[in-house]
Amino acid sequence: EAGVTQFPSHSVIEKGQTVTLRCDPISGHDNLYWYRRVMGKEIKFLLHFVKESKQDESGMPNNRFLAERTGGTYSTLKVQPAELEDSGVYFCASSRYDVDYGYTFGSGTRLTVV
Amino acid sequence: GDSVTQMEGPVTLSEEAFLTINCTYTATGYPSLFWYVQYPGEGLQLLLKATKADDKGSNKGFEATYRKETTSFHLEKGSVQVSDSAVYFCALLIQGAQKLVFGQGTRLTINP
Repeated sequence: EAGVTQFPSHSVIEKGQTVTLRCDPISGHDNLYWYRRVMGKEIKFLLHFVKESKQDESGMPNNRFLAERTGGTYSTLKVQPAELEDSGVYFCASSRYDVDYGYTFGSGTRLTVV
Repeated sequence: GDSVTQMEGPVTLSEEAFLTINCTYTATGYPSLFWYVQYPGEGLQLLLKATKADDKGSNKGFEATYRKETTSFHLEKGSVQVSDSAVYFCALLIQGAQKLVFGQGTRLTINP
């Protein structure tokens, strides 16, 4: 089966601009997660979708971040306007069942805000 | 709150050396514990896991034992290879939750 696909793989934008990251989960995986790793620190949870519904968005840092999953398939994460501290690697993951069975992660989008 | 602390890297070893990457955790309840690995240019991959105290997870020659008394889950491998060069992340999952809590990652480089 195809893995979790994220694009772009890299994005460099100026402070104040808008960027949209996309994640295509494995087909049939109802659970979709976003995480990010900022400046070599720990990977932190952002939010969790079950199908098209936001199950847990407790990790979203502020209202400049908007995640959507229309139709319960692919998801987008929009940052508007981007700030310097938003630079990092954004990971998406999906799972069919409970996370204890393991996620499948994408290779991430490296976002650099200059 | 729940947290994971890993030994700081980077770690550089010679091929066939013994590897230990320390991981300790703080958690309420009884977490499941995981090691994930990120090879260059790839996504995070589950390396091994343990779901209860004294369980040993193993895969690809790597092992880690869930030690409740010391709240630790140290990663070990008896003889590393150049292909083991990657970033390793320790993580926990709280029972009933659906999100992982990660450590900061340890970059491992193996020289031939």
